[in-house]
Amino acid sequence: DIQMTQSPASLSASLEEIVTITCQASQDIGNWLAWYQQKPGKSPQLLIYGATSLADGVPSRFSGSRSGTQYSLKISRLQVEDIGIYYCLQAYSALTFGSGTKLEIK
Amino acid sequence: EVQLVESGGGLVQPGSPLKLSCAASGFTFSSNWLNWIRQAPGKGLEWVASINPDGSSTYYPDTVKGRFVVSKDNAKNTGYLQMNNLRSEDTAMYYCARRQLPDYWGQGVMVTVSS
Repeated sequence: DIQMTQSPASLSASLEEIVTITCQASQDIGNWLAWYQQKPGKSPQLLIYGATSLADGVPSRFSGSRSGTQYSLKISRLQVEDIGIYYCLQAYSALTFGSGTKLEIK
Repeated sequence: EVQLVESGGGLVQPGSPLKLSCAASGFTFSSNWLNWIRQAPGKGLEWVASINPDGSSTYYPDTVKGRFVVSKDNAKNTGYLQMNNLRSEDTAMYYCARRQLPDYWGQGVMVTVSS
């Protein structure tokens, strides 16, 4: 089974700051990776698919990158509406979620 | 507009069965994978089941294999999750989501397993 190690578990950052969340896959998953944002009481919303492609309607301050089996989500200028929990997901073999990153405003 | 609407949740006793439905609209349901994903209260996301577009192949993690059955009726644009022999650890919000790399998710339905 493929494991996804997500870090950090929580993150407190200032408005306009750059924020980076990473997921390390236990084996090659190609670009079968997505990032989601979840707000309290809501279902997850797709941010990034295919490791680097921005989903429709998602602000351009969100971006995804890949280096080997390490995947990153970057928020270039943190906004208040970006608070929530972020998850990565691999879909190369079955589905495996990262453990989540809780993002708060400092 | 793509929509997925779950239904069928509720409070059940341990060992009971329950069947969830996922009504789809706004896209070609027969051409899409369907996934079920759950989230226990205060916890992260956990994959539960997947089914390919024509329903010929299904996939499960070990935690539910042999107890849960995923299906889809392409004529009715509806997916299903039959859950048998429910345990307290199955208590969660259950979401359906389309595509192999899920894009749209439903709003979720709560399943509580308790005596």
